[in-house]
Amino acid sequence: EAQVTQNPRYLITVTGKKLTVTCSQNMNHEYMSWYRQDPGLGLRQIYYSMNVEVTDKGDVPEGYKVSRKEKRNFPLILESPSPNQTSLYFCASSLSSPRTGGAREKLFFGSGTQLSVL
Amino acid sequence: ILNVEQSPQSLHVQEGDSTNFTCSFPSSNFYALHWYRWETAKSPEALFVMTLNGDEKKKGRISATLNTKEGYSYLYIKGSQPEDSATYLCAFLQGGSEKLVFGKGTKLTVNP
Repeated sequence: EAQVTQNPRYLITVTGKKLTVTCSQNMNHEYMSWYRQDPGLGLRQIYYSMNVEVTDKGDVPEGYKVSRKEKRNFPLILESPSPNQTSLYFCASSLSSPRTGGAREKLFFGSGTQLSVL
Repeated sequence: ILNVEQSPQSLHVQEGDSTNFTCSFPSSNFYALHWYRWETAKSPEALFVMTLNGDEKKKGRISATLNTKEGYSYLYIKGSQPEDSATYLCAFLQGGSEKLVFGKGTKLTVNP
């Protein structure tokens, strides 16, 4: 089954304790992206990746790191989480980047990670 | 910062009603407009990707239109059903950018 697998679904942690949220897709997609969803705000992009070893900042990258060493995986790393990073996080992927244009660029989303930083 | 506005913020309709809502975006340098459907406790799912002025897309009872010159897209649902209850998100891509900018969504509740 074609899917984006994101883990964990729920995570409670404490300030300063490094964590990683994993994201993996089995559709050979080139483009992958991380978003956070906060009440009253739209999905905001954290980082995105056009392909292996190619990553770039989104609109809210502060406090996050990513890597794209393999095409299928795009982990989100919080080196020193803080309470303002409490949020619902989504990983998404698409066959090619949004600029290619057309239906191939529709995003497939993971199931989400609800993170609470105490 | 690009402004993508969706209205209304929420909407309650009765089963069988037809409804529509709006996504407004900058009219300059348009590249693409996406619509997603997001059910509670699930992941957003793509409905449409629209790229041409005047585009009309249809999927079952849901359809969308696009006016890039005036900067808006309408999403229509004909004969709403309770299973249509969800938040509908639009996302705008400006020319020269790789970043989709999402609106805050319209939350639709269809009462049986």
